[in-house]
Amino acid sequence: QLVLTQPPSASASLGASVKLTCTLSSGHSTYAIAWHQLQPEKGPQFLMKVNNDGSHNKGDGIPDRFSGSSSGAERHLTISSLQSEDEADYYCQTWGTGVVVFGGGTKLTVL
Amino acid sequence: EVQLLESGGGLVQPGGSLRLSCAASGLSFNNYAMTWVRQAPGKGLEWVSSISRSGGDTFYADSVKGRLTISRDNSKNTLYLQMSSLRVEDTAVYYCAKHPWSSVDYMDVWGKGTTVTVSS
Repeated sequence: QLVLTQPPSASASLGASVKLTCTLSSGHSTYAIAWHQLQPEKGPQFLMKVNNDGSHNKGDGIPDRFSGSSSGAERHLTISSLQSEDEADYYCQTWGTGVVVFGGGTKLTVL
Repeated sequence: EVQLLESGGGLVQPGGSLRLSCAASGLSFNNYAMTWVRQAPGKGLEWVSSISRSGGDTFYADSVKGRLTISRDNSKNTLYLQMSSLRVEDTAVYYCAKHPWSSVDYMDVWGKGTTVTVSS
């Protein structure tokens, strides 16, 4: 079964960097994923697609502070030079034949 | 600029029906697969349903199969979600989202959502 696992929370200080992780279920380690940001009172925003080889394609207007990477079954979103507006929920998402799957989301707190 | 605007949300009693719409602008709507996603209060994002660019293929989460129906009218650049036999657990903000091409994969543009409340 295609499942994405995310830690429920993460925190980092203003101006620092944070690396969020999304883990693909066994047998699905080559799948690409997408990262989406959900801020309070706003609709979700597509951040980037991260491929198995670590290459990534960002959405329009996404700052260079956001980058993606991959290691085995893990897909990462790194946010550098954290700003207060980066405090949000971050969801990874993947897909199979006729199905779309979301991770449980990580709530990022900027200290 | 591509924009998606959902409408049709509201308060409905359990067992009732509602139709959500998503009006798309700034794109050749019939080139793209589309999806509905929801977020229940205090919960994460949940995939609801997807549809191919022609409307000929539809896909549903098990939790909504047989009760919710996705469709599209490419002449009106509009996506729909017909909701029937609604349950309290269908209460959520419903978002429509566009895929970057004709296949159902990741979503690259989202709407701002419309709220559905199922309550007596």
